[in-house]
Amino acid sequence: GENVEQHPSTLSVQEGDSAVIKCTYSDSASNYFPWYKQELGKGPQLIIDIRSNVGEKKDQRIAVTLNKTAKHFSLHITETQPEDSAVYFCAAPQAGNMLTFGGGTRLMVKP
Amino acid sequence: DAGITQSPRHKVTETGTPVTLRCHQTENHRYMYWYRQDPGHGLRLIHYSYGVKDTDKGEVSDGYSVSRSKTEDFLLTLESATSSQTSVYFCATRDAGSYTEAFFGQGTRLTVV
Repeated sequence: GENVEQHPSTLSVQEGDSAVIKCTYSDSASNYFPWYKQELGKGPQLIIDIRSNVGEKKDQRIAVTLNKTAKHFSLHITETQPEDSAVYFCAAPQAGNMLTFGGGTRLMVKP
Repeated sequence: DAGITQSPRHKVTETGTPVTLRCHQTENHRYMYWYRQDPGHGLRLIHYSYGVKDTDKGEVSDGYSVSRSKTEDFLLTLESATSSQTSVYFCATRDAGSYTEAFFGQGTRLTVV
């Protein structure tokens, strides 16, 4: 099955700086890569996703890049704000309509 | 928010007792999942369902069983709770299709003492 590794596990940045979270996956057939944000006491929510026919996708301050050859994808958050503080999960699909999640990154944005 | 309700939201139970967690959805999504979330392990799949009465095991299914008698309800049962099952449990749903979003419930914090 799919194996997803996520780094770093914790990330601390100053407000206004950029944050980058990276994930690698094992199944070269994977074609959909979502990112979820989990705020304290809540369930994860989708913030952005990318399909394998696209190399980059942007949504305001958030962008995701995909390198299919190297089998890794990254989340980029620019101009970070305190409300960006949360746990972020990457994911990749596996057979049976399941998603395999990375281990999560706790992002802390210091004012 | 997607219409996913987990109950109870918090539960403390004793070792050896059976526990059932409920997930109810109003989205009519075909797929439903139970995950557990533990520090350092992210979200790990326990069981999933691809339709009424159709379920299968995930990567950490030992000690858990599930049932789905209606599209909207997915039950997770701990047959005999152990301290290692202390965790936060999340239910999720997805519509059919390769690129569909997973919607998560608010989670159930279970403590086994």
